Amino acid sequence: DVKVTQSSRYLVKRTGEKVFLECVQDMDHENMFWYRQDPGLGLRLIYFSYDVKMKEKGDIPEGYSVSREKKERFSLILESASTNQTSMYLCASSPHGGQGPYTFGSGTRLTVV
Amino acid sequence: GQQLNQSPQSMFIQEGEDVSMNCTSSSIFNTWLWYKQDPGEGPVLLIALYKAGELTSNGRLTAQFGITRKDSFLNISASIPSDVGIYFCAGHIQGAQKLVFGQGTRLTINP
Repeated sequence: DVKVTQSSRYLVKRTGEKVFLECVQDMDHENMFWYRQDPGLGLRLIYFSYDVKMKEKGDIPEGYSVSREKKERFSLILESASTNQTSMYLCASSPHGGQGPYTFGSGTRLTVV
Repeated sequence: GQQLNQSPQSMFIQEGEDVSMNCTSSSIFNTWLWYKQDPGEGPVLLIALYKAGELTSNGRLTAQFGITRKDSFLNISASIPSDVGIYFCAGHIQGAQKLVFGQGTRLTINP
């Protein structure tokens, strides 16, 4: 079965820490995405990548960066975590082209204290 | 960016009732997707639609790609407790690099 694996289900970090969220897919997909999900706000796109070493800003990139050194791995980086980055983070991947469908990971619930 | 209007935002129903939700947009889409998210999990694909007018079923779920290509609906028949969750629509506009998602419909079922 195809899979998108997020390294942590739950994380608690302190304000100001550098945080890495890791995502790995085993489907040889070109496209990978990072979303955050907050109550009442739906899924908001942070960054996406359509190829190794390529990245594009989504709708809310401020305070985040990403890294895609290998096709199967897409990392989300919070350079200096803040309490307003407490959220559910979802990684997704899809084959070449924009029309999906996306396969999502199980999510990482990050709490910044 | 592009927006999908998904309604209703939430539904509270009795077990056994049928459910209907929809997504509309001012833009024309060439793909419609419906996802379900269980509490604490990531969204899972339920149904994919690729052609205007297409009607597709997956068990008790039925979804349609609107004729105008600007809307889609999802019906759930005879709801059961495990149908609880958030349902998302998503659409793709020709030439776009990514999907557009609706805000989600939260379904709660009273046994």
